[in-house]
Amino acid sequence: AQSVTQLGSHVSVSEGALVLLRCNYSSSVPPYLFWYVQYPNQGLQLLLKYTSAATLVKGINGFEAEFKKSETSFHLTKPSAHMSDAAEYFCAGASGSARQLTFGSGTQLTVLP
Amino acid sequence: GAGVSQSPSNKVTEKGKDVELRCDPISGHTALYWYRQSLGQGLEFLIYFQGNSAPDKSGLPSDRFSAERTGGSVSTLTIQRTQQEDSAVYLCASSTGLAGSETQYFGPGTRLLVL
Repeated sequence: AQSVTQLGSHVSVSEGALVLLRCNYSSSVPPYLFWYVQYPNQGLQLLLKYTSAATLVKGINGFEAEFKKSETSFHLTKPSAHMSDAAEYFCAGASGSARQLTFGSGTQLTVLP
Repeated sequence: GAGVSQSPSNKVTEKGKDVELRCDPISGHTALYWYRQSLGQGLEFLIYFQGNSAPDKSGLPSDRFSAERTGGSVSTLTIQRTQQEDSAVYLCASSTGLAGSETQYFGPGTRLLVL
């Protein structure tokens, strides 16, 4: 069964600093992995996804993530945080024939001026 | 084009009443998903439709919850005899239904409060 763990329920960074949000997965088969962002009172918006084509995945708004099988990780990074990046971020996985997404518990990102 | 829409956006009901939540997927998307987002449980899968059939209902928390999809489009999630623990945001998503790697597009959700 697929499981996804996000380390750190709250992360604070200064504007212009590196953003690093951690995600680890547990799966017996190579997974599909996703990062979604949720702004207050809105649905989830896809940032990027890993589907085995390339281990370094670039997404929208300057975010990227690297799939590391040896570490079972899919951490999300952005070189320079903007105030508009403040939101909740969810890592999610799907594997095999299971179509539903299994979500991590989410990380609330705060960007300090 | 239009995204996934959900109605109502907010619903307040009394304990014991039935509620219906509606989801309009992106046109042409054959797969439709319901998830629940609550403070205590995070984001949980409820049910998945491929066309009008539901091959995976494993996430429905009790027999008070049911869902249907008609015409391969609109879906309704019904909660009977609502309980306070049903208070949550109910999210609907749709996708092309072609592969497990495809993107699921989410609606804005219905915020349900059971008093």
